[in-house]
Order: sequence, then structure tokens, then C-alpha cells
Amino acid sequence: GAVVSQHPSRVICKSGTSVKIECRSLDFQATTMFWYRQFPKQSLMLMATSNEGSKATYEQGVEKDKFLINHASLTLSTLTVTSAHPEDSSFYICSARDRRGGTDTQYFGPGTRLTVL
Amino acid sequence: GNSVTQMEGPVTLSEEAFLTINCTYTATGYPSLFWYVQYPGEGLQLLLKATKADDKGSNKGFEATYRKETTSFHLEKGSVQVSDSAVYFCALRSGGADGLTFGKGTHLIIQP
Repeated sequence: GAVVSQHPSRVICKSGTSVKIECRSLDFQATTMFWYRQFPKQSLMLMATSNEGSKATYEQGVEKDKFLINHASLTLSTLTVTSAHPEDSSFYICSARDRRGGTDTQYFGPGTRLTVL
Repeated sequence: GNSVTQMEGPVTLSEEAFLTINCTYTATGYPSLFWYVQYPGEGLQLLLKATKADDKGSNKGFEATYRKETTSFHLEKGSVQVSDSAVYFCALRSGGADGLTFGKGTHLIIQP
């Protein structure tokens, strides 16, 4: 299968600061990437769909001004949590959509653990 | 809206036991159904999928059949191994959406 990386794997920041998380597809180009959020013992919740070269599409209830998404190239999408607060602490997971050869599969990154103090 | 319900864990079994993890869903239209597995310290990996009713997805000895009449996609394996210990997520994609709707995940523990 394809490989998707995330950086950093974990980050601790102070309340009020901004944090950027990177998602990279290492061996394929992805015009579409997704950002999910996972609370402890909860399912993954889709936050937004990141489209290369255009604005991201946010799910209902997700603040687009707080969770800034930039998909500037076919292999990189970034999620910036602006003015982070303790309630933003969570596990953030990205995925990249692989449509090579007529397939349609999402490959997931290992996740980023964000802790806001 | 779309939703996925799967059995709560942890599920603890002995090696070579038969495994069933239940998954039911509600969705608009005709969803595609997936099982993902997350091994400790790793990202989610696609285990198997089915895109239409009565399809059976299979991989690594695991199977799941898309049952439209019962809106279910239960995961089964005839003889589990210690290496199958992981968290298993049932998911769907439906309604023209690209993103996935996940269940809460089931933690499976296989004891030798």
C-alpha cells in the first residue's frame, strides 16, 4: 500500500499559540486529502476535505478560521490549529486519497497527538 | 445522517478462536463499506471493503459480507492469531461524500 506521513507525531503547546501539522503522501500524488479528529475511545470524526489548489471543504460544526487547511501541492496538506486552547487537545489524523489505476483508497497517516496546556 | 455502530471492546479471545465483530450502519443512498485496522503505534490500514450489496470483502483470513437487508457488515475470522491484536474500525462512504464515517473502533486482544 501507499505511505502517508504526518509531522510532528506529538506536540505540546501553550494556550493561545498556533500549531501546524503536516500530512505528506510519500509515494503518490493526492489531489484530495482528509483531516480527522479522534477523541479518546471515540470514532474518527471527519473535519474537512482538503483539495489541492482550492479551498478546503469543512464539515458542519468545524470552525474554518480556527482550523486552517492548506493543500499547496499534490503531496502536502497542512492543518494549522490557530489560537489553540485546551479543548483542542486531541489526536489529529490525515488521509490521502489514492485513485491510481482505477482504485479509490484512503491511506492514513499515523496521527499527531496535540496537547494544549 | 450517516452513522456506524460497532461492538464495544475490548474483545479478548484465545489464539485460534473464531472472531466476529459486529458492525451496523445507517446511510443515505448505497454506501461503500470498509474495515480498517490499526496496529499499536501505526496508522489505520485498509483491511477489506465491499462496494455493493452481497459483496464479500476478504483479506488476511478476515471476511465481511455487505448485507443490505440487515444494514450490516460484520467482520469474521475463523482462527485468530496473537498478531491480529489491534483496533478494528468499521467505516462507510456514502451520499457522494468523499470522507469516511467511522464507528468507535473495537479493541481486539488475542491471548496465546
